[in-house]
Amino acid sequence: ETGVTQTPRHLVMGMTNKKSLKCEQHLGHNAMYWYKQSAKKPLELMFVYSLEERVENNSVPSRFSPECPNSSHLFLHLHTLQPEDSALYLCASSQVFQDPNSPLHFGNGTRLTVT
Amino acid sequence: EDKVVQSPLSLVVHEGDTVTLNCSYEVTNFRSLLWYKQEKKAPTFLFMLTSSGIEKKSGRLSSILDKKELSSILNITATQTGDSAIYLCAVEAITNTGNQFYFGTGTSLTVIP
Repeated sequence: ETGVTQTPRHLVMGMTNKKSLKCEQHLGHNAMYWYKQSAKKPLELMFVYSLEERVENNSVPSRFSPECPNSSHLFLHLHTLQPEDSALYLCASSQVFQDPNSPLHFGNGTRLTVT
Repeated sequence: EDKVVQSPLSLVVHEGDTVTLNCSYEVTNFRSLLWYKQEKKAPTFLFMLTSSGIEKKSGRLSSILDKKELSSILNITATQTGDSAIYLCAVEAITNTGNQFYFGTGTSLTVIP
């Protein structure tokens, strides 16, 4: 149990499908993140929500659309994905604007395969 | 451009060996350096380092930060097969909108019996 829960654990989707990834954190944190992890690459930050406002976009393609309805929940809506989008998508949370620092706490990830 | 570099990329050792993993960084507005262990799923937090020269220790694992050299090492003594994992280094930077975390590619450690 990591304190950050992601669903589904695995997802296979065609390029024309629409699906959503869900993340929930039970740690009382005020920031949530989506990262993409591909083989042999550093974790790529996709989106950050700090105090429920999106503060980072990092030139992510528009086929990825985040949603943060409150500080505990984060979604990643997916549509018309490409095979190269296949990866492990990790959600994380942290507490920002505080001292001492808070590390990132990760969920188990969603393994996405685009066919 | 901010970046984090880890070495080696992969390592294979025998049980009982001692290993040293390296992380170097170039990040503006540095706040902390973090080490994570990733087996099959979620990266799990190991250490957060903010001050130079102060070793953090947890069992057989230890880590130290050198802010002058912009680097950190993670040591694992008396390795066990359960230490096999990817070890990720991340550097936290302060931004006006919160914290930004930059990750390296990781070091893949395999411990063979």
